[in-house]
Amino acid sequence: DAGVIQSPRHEVTEMGQEVTLRCKPISGHNSLFWYRQTMMRGLELLIYFNNNVPIDDSGMPEDRFSAKMPNASFSTLKIQPSEPRDSAVYFCASSSLNQPQHFGDGTRLSIL
Amino acid sequence: RKEVEQDPGPFNVPEGATVAFNCTYSNSASQSFFWYRQDCRKEPKLLMSVYSSGNEDGRFTAQLNRASQYISLLIRDSKLSDSATYLCVVTPSYNTDKLIFGTGTRLQVFP
Repeated sequence: DAGVIQSPRHEVTEMGQEVTLRCKPISGHNSLFWYRQTMMRGLELLIYFNNNVPIDDSGMPEDRFSAKMPNASFSTLKIQPSEPRDSAVYFCASSSLNQPQHFGDGTRLSIL
Repeated sequence: RKEVEQDPGPFNVPEGATVAFNCTYSNSASQSFFWYRQDCRKEPKLLMSVYSSGNEDGRFTAQLNRASQYISLLIRDSKLSDSATYLCVVTPSYNTDKLIFGTGTRLQVFP
């Protein structure tokens, strides 16, 4: 079975550029999560969707970050403009209600 | 105070040793509890759920103490392949998919 699929795996870009991260959840899962992981802060929940609707975006650091889920099989996390402090590993995860979350391989983002 | 707290370690143990990790959580309404494992430069993966009665999966035993709000993970007969970071995870309330992750406890098993 296909797991959660994220793209790109790696992204290196200059500060000020727009960055778009993509995620395809596991088919049949109705919740999708975006996380950011750094050495200093660990794994932080940025936003999560249930049935394509954003439920909790309290972890989104600031207005430069936005996320969308236009349908059940696709979500994007966008950073515009990007800054060096946004460098981190970004994970997408999906789950069904009350079931464990399954994570994608992550996107390693470096902002120069 | 963090919602989920763990000793970051590292715990350095020889092969065959028994090692235990504890984790405390601050929200008494937390309903579901898990241990995830994360290998270096990889994604977190579910290791096991934690049930009120305690549960065992091979060499791994998880226990929950609701009164004291802590969760434990015991690994017996440690293997080199157990070297990883172990993340304590809780849900903040019932009927939510949201998870709160601890920052993890790093385990290094040496020959």
